[in-house]
Amino acid sequence: EPEVTQTPSHQVTQMGQEVILRCVPISNHLYFYWYRQILGQKVEFLVSFYNNEISEKSEIFDDQFSVERPDGSNFTLKIRSTKLEDSAMYFCASSEAQRRGKLFFGSGTQLSVL
Amino acid sequence: TQLLEQSPQFLSIQEGENLTVYCNSSSVFSSLQWYRQEPGEGPVLLVTVVTGGEVKKLKRLTFQFGDARKDSSLHITAAQPGDTGLYLCAGLSGNTPLVFGKGTRLSVIA
Repeated sequence: EPEVTQTPSHQVTQMGQEVILRCVPISNHLYFYWYRQILGQKVEFLVSFYNNEISEKSEIFDDQFSVERPDGSNFTLKIRSTKLEDSAMYFCASSEAQRRGKLFFGSGTQLSVL
Repeated sequence: TQLLEQSPQFLSIQEGENLTVYCNSSSVFSSLQWYRQEPGEGPVLLVTVVTGGEVKKLKRLTFQFGDARKDSSLHITAAQPGDTGLYLCAGLSGNTPLVFGKGTRLSVIA
């Protein structure tokens, strides 16, 4: 069964450093998403991406965050200058259709900011 | 801000028991989804309910969407250790992105 893959599975970084989280969505999907889950908290929407541009973003997705689809397969989330409170599990997801479509989630990248 | 409240937060039961977990909101949703998440993994979609009053069955799991489309329940019959996990509900409404509840952490003891 096709799946969304994320790398790395774990990332440890120093506060203030830049990190790039990588995702390979399912190949025929058109909509891509980043969510995050802080330990013990709910899964929170960050951003959705369609047709090479951001379609929606949350208040969490401030100027420190950016997304990119650098080639035909990868979808990346960059955090420019990490803060302690960015520590969370980051999930990438993709879907064929934005609204009622099924979201397929990757296994996540656990980001720890020290 | 749309909120989805899930209850109970934690549930520990013996194998073979039945259980129901709830997802409630003061907002109306066009659809609700239920996901199961296991440690170290992303959420996996179990079902989507769209119509008020809709009931969907997935083997021993029964999902119901409230008539007013503000709440949903998940009932598991004869729970098994393999049902252990975090059950998340998530709602879609208008143009807002998918909103998740905090989940119910279920532990089924053999």
